[in-house]
Amino acid sequence: GAVVSQHPSWVICKSGTSVKIECRSLDFQATTMFWYRQFPKQSLMLMATSNEGSKATYEQGVEKDKFLINHASLTLSTLTVTSAHPEDSSFYICSVLGGPSGNQPQHFGDGTRLSIL
Amino acid sequence: GQNIDQPTEMTATEGAIVQINCTYQTSGFNGLFWYQQHAGEAPTFLSYNVLDGLEEKGRFSSFLSRSKGYSYLLLKELQMKDSASYLCAVKDSNYQLIWGAGTKLIIKP
Repeated sequence: GAVVSQHPSWVICKSGTSVKIECRSLDFQATTMFWYRQFPKQSLMLMATSNEGSKATYEQGVEKDKFLINHASLTLSTLTVTSAHPEDSSFYICSVLGGPSGNQPQHFGDGTRLSIL
Repeated sequence: GQNIDQPTEMTATEGAIVQINCTYQTSGFNGLFWYQQHAGEAPTFLSYNVLDGLEEKGRFSSFLSRSKGYSYLLLKELQMKDSASYLCAVKDSNYQLIWGAGTKLIIKP
């Protein structure tokens, strides 16, 4: 299956800072990547679908100006949390489809734990 | 609306068998996935069902009944390392993945 690398693993920063998270597909080219957020003891929540070479598709309630997604190449998508505040503290996870067909699972990066002080 | 239901938490004994149920109501169906998620880690893929029946993979098996909107994950010969959350997810008619809230499985010695 696909191998996904996500960096950084942990970020602790002051309120108002912008934080960039990288997601790389290591063993195949991914036209589509997904960004999720997960609060403690809650389910995964899809934030947006990142499309290579075009604008991301954001889920209802997710501020696209706050969570900037750039999918500039077939192996890299980035999520930038702009002017982060304590309520943005969460576990952010990216994923890549294992292949083009509908039965392919999503393979996840290791996640980024973001703590805003 | 779309909905996936799983028990919030289950407890089982090391060496035993446990069945985690998942029921779903979605707009269309294009497959059901089970993932395992250890605390503080990202989910890892366990199984995929798109046709009715049982899929066996080692100690883990997954069953699907599309007519009933029902699936279960069966874990045999439980080990302490199986303590984790188990997530059920369904692909709807738009191939969008709808996630359940997960079942936290606690294994006791």
